[in-house]
Amino acid sequence: QSALTQPASVSGSPGQSITISCTGTASDIGGYEYVSWYQQHPGKVPKLIIYDVTDRSSGVSNRFSGSKSGNTAALTISGLQAEDEADYYCSSFTSFNTLVFGTGTKLTVL
Amino acid sequence: QMQLVQSGSELKKPGASVKVSCKASGYILTNFAINWVRQAPGQGLEWMGWINTNTGNPTYAQDFTGRFVFSLDTSVSTAYLQISTLKTDDTAVYFCTRRMGAWYFDLWGRGTLLTVSS
Repeated sequence: QSALTQPASVSGSPGQSITISCTGTASDIGGYEYVSWYQQHPGKVPKLIIYDVTDRSSGVSNRFSGSKSGNTAALTISGLQAEDEADYYCSSFTSFNTLVFGTGTKLTVL
Repeated sequence: QMQLVQSGSELKKPGASVKVSCKASGYILTNFAINWVRQAPGQGLEWMGWINTNTGNPTYAQDFTGRFVFSLDTSVSTAYLQISTLKTDDTAVYFCTRRMGAWYFDLWGRGTLLTVSS
């Protein structure tokens, strides 16, 4: 099972919106509504921000939103803030009854 | 509050074995599956597999068969990851996580750094 494909890096200025894509196949993202997104600051533990494609985890700002179209999921962060600078990982349940993570995206807030 | 408390950092030589523990605190271990995730230095997250905390039945991801064993001791609310015949490539942080029904991880341990070096 290959990792889901994410851009290595994205950047944006404070206040802007950015979108991170996560591309898989019909056997994972395209086949199930089980896409999640995690935020990881350097040296820290990953934090769940989005689950089941669009649901925000408790306490997560509504600036974070998730979506999916076909085999590609996306995380959008609006009103970028300096604290959003981190690595972001998507994940999906697969038809093999396993889970696969994305390759990870480093978000830089300019 | 709910926590997963992992054992401390380990330094091992190639060929040795290691056992990492993950103790559930503030909730009942058997109510949720425990998954294991690896993160090599400077790399992304890799899903290693999971253990059914009711039956003890483990499931391993394709890249984690053979040398990796998931186990439980429900009497002390603890899950374990054992790795045998260690290689330098096993150097990584190993996280245990609590998996909610629909395959997402809402609670993470702080990670255990394993360094394999001669």
